[in-house]
Amino acid sequence: EPEVTQTPSHQVTQMGQEVILRCVPISNHLYFYWYRQILGQKVEFLVSFYNNEISEKSEIFDDQFSVERPDGSNFTLKIRSTKLEDSAMYFCASSDARGPAVSPLHFGNGTRLTVT
Amino acid sequence: QKEVEQNSGPLSVPEGAIASLNCTYSDRVSQSFFWYRQYSGKSPELIMSIYSNGDKEDGRFTAQLNKASQYVSLLIRDSQPSDSATYLCAVNYGGGANSKLTFGKGITLSVRP
Repeated sequence: EPEVTQTPSHQVTQMGQEVILRCVPISNHLYFYWYRQILGQKVEFLVSFYNNEISEKSEIFDDQFSVERPDGSNFTLKIRSTKLEDSAMYFCASSDARGPAVSPLHFGNGTRLTVT
Repeated sequence: QKEVEQNSGPLSVPEGAIASLNCTYSDRVSQSFFWYRQYSGKSPELIMSIYSNGDKEDGRFTAQLNKASQYVSLLIRDSQPSDSATYLCAVNYGGGANSKLTFGKGITLSVRP
C-alpha cells in the first residue's frame, strides 16, 4: 500500500538553527499538509498546500515557517530559526484528488524535532 | 474557533467488551468526520470515515453520526488488548482546498486482558 514517507525520523538541533523536514507524499495525491504534536498534546494543523501554493495556514505557522514542493515528489517544511517550543513531532500528510472534505488524510511516520 | 471535544477518558474496558468513544464538534456545517487511532509515539492511522447521519460499520468498528446534535461516536466491539491506543476524533472544517482537519485531544483506551 502506498505510504507517506518522512525523513529524518529524529532531528536534534540547537536553538536558532534552521531545519528542513522532508516528506514524500503518496504519488497521486494532490493535497499536502503539515501537522505537529507537542508531547502529550493534540495534533495541531500547521499548513495545507495545493496547486503549488499555501491554501490555509494556522496561527502557529508564522514567518519562521515555510513550505515548498521543489519537485514532483518532495514536500518540505522549513523552520528558519528554531525555538525551544518548536520541539514536537511533525507529521506530513496527503490526500487524493477528491479533496480533504471527502478524502481522508494519510499520515507519514513523523519527524521528532528536538530543539536544545 | 472550530472545536472538536473529546472530554471523556481515559477509558478502561475488559477484553471482549464494547468500548464507546464520544466526540462533539462546534461547526454545524461540517460534512466529514474521521476516527484515527494513534499508538504511543506513532502517527495517526485512519480507522473510519463517516459523512452522513446514522451508523457505518467496518468489522468490529461502528461509527455513528448525528449532525443535529453535532455528535460522532465510535464503538469497538469485542475489544482486544491490541486496541489499546489513543483514539482521535477529527472533523473537516471549511471547503475545497481551504478545508482542514481539526483533531480532538483524543481518548486513551486500555483493554484489560
